[in-house]
Amino acid sequence: GAGVSQSPSNKVTEKGKDVELRCDPISGHTALYWYRQRLGQGLEFLIYFQGNSAPDKSGLPSDRFSAERTGESVSTLTIQRTQQEDSAVYLCASSLWSGPNQPQHFGDGTRLSIL
Amino acid sequence: AQKVTQAQTEISVVEKEDVTLDCVYETRDTTYYLFWYKQPPSGELVFLIRRNSFDEQNEISGRYSWNFQKSTSSFNFTITASQVVDSAVYFCALSEAGSGGGADGLTFGKGTHLIIQP
Repeated sequence: GAGVSQSPSNKVTEKGKDVELRCDPISGHTALYWYRQRLGQGLEFLIYFQGNSAPDKSGLPSDRFSAERTGESVSTLTIQRTQQEDSAVYLCASSLWSGPNQPQHFGDGTRLSIL
Repeated sequence: AQKVTQAQTEISVVEKEDVTLDCVYETRDTTYYLFWYKQPPSGELVFLIRRNSFDEQNEISGRYSWNFQKSTSSFNFTITASQVVDSAVYFCALSEAGSGGGADGLTFGKGTHLIIQP
């Protein structure tokens, strides 16, 4: 079946602009996760959804970052007033549910470049 | 707080050599899960294995094997008879059961870049 789908694959934008990143999880997966991967670094956890609820938003880097999810479907990660330090690959993952033993299945990511 | 350390930033070996990727973790939970992921040049992370803290049996899958030792808080990954297609960045990750489900996501190491030369 289809894997996790993210769009756009690449996004180049000017500093100060807003960007919206989209994630389509695997069908039937109730949990969805967002990570950020800076060049040459490991993954940094941002936020997760169980259904359309995000119990803990403390992982978001600043109040310029927000995320939403519609039901158990698409999620969007929005970055307002982008800064150069926001340049990274943003990865989305989904799992059957949000238990700690659940393998997370990742999309290809959105490579965000802030000029 | 949980932490995963992959001390080897980059490893380069010649094809057919065996190679071991190290992973050391820190956690205060007694129940936790360890994962390995592969990130090939294409960028997508591929799940390889999950191990829970109560199961210290080593596992072998083809040319891949994993050695979990709670005594040293390590979960090392060995590739036997390496192939060029094994070239990728490999990540070790930890999830704690006490984190309230997926609340903290996975804690990843910084990854080991494995280069297999023909």
